[in-house]
Amino acid sequence: KNEVEQSPQNLTAQEGEFITINCSYSVGISALHWLQQHPGGGIVSLFMLSSGKKKHGRLIATINIQEKHSSLHITASHPRDSAVYICAVAAPNAGGTSYGKLTFGQGTILTVHP
Amino acid sequence: NAGVTQTPKFRVLKTGQSMTLLCAQDMNHEYMYWYRQDPGMGLRLIHYSVGEGTTAKGEVPDGYNVSRLKKQNFLLGLESAAPSQTSVYFCASGRGRWTEAFFGQGTRLTVV
Repeated sequence: KNEVEQSPQNLTAQEGEFITINCSYSVGISALHWLQQHPGGGIVSLFMLSSGKKKHGRLIATINIQEKHSSLHITASHPRDSAVYICAVAAPNAGGTSYGKLTFGQGTILTVHP
Repeated sequence: NAGVTQTPKFRVLKTGQSMTLLCAQDMNHEYMYWYRQDPGMGLRLIHYSVGEGTTAKGEVPDGYNVSRLKKQNFLLGLESAAPSQTSVYFCASGRGRWTEAFFGQGTRLTVV
């Protein structure tokens, strides 16, 4: 079982729809990252959070530490939101060291149609 | 402010050839990382550095070497490329262990 599980793996939406991507993890963490990767492109950090909720424009990220679960929401989705969204967790003392190692989920491929 | 810059962006190597990937960051970050991204595998850590002159192995270090002679640069070397090293390589940097990570644009490497 992967330490970080994302769902769904693929998501198709119509422009304007509200989108939710989920991330569950099995280890204690110091922080959780949401990343965005456009096709053939680099990786951009969207959020880093360790508790509660963060909002940036149409994107909202929440985390529940007790349930080991985080969600990324996109309101009023747009075709330019089409990308792979990756959840990554930073766990203290991973592998016996503390160097900020990130463990990544498999990614969720989001396609938003006009 | 360029952020994290990787060179080259694309490269095709023959089996057995060597090459070096360069990662440069202009944010004065202490922590730098090299990851590889393969279909269905997610990103995996190859090597990392927690400061100038220091390097350490990550999850998949075999076949790679790294150096951090200057704080702003983190080099990833392939001494004898193998087809299994065909991948997209990402460099990342961060101010501290639990801070925001900044990624480069990636290097697409094909070994034939």
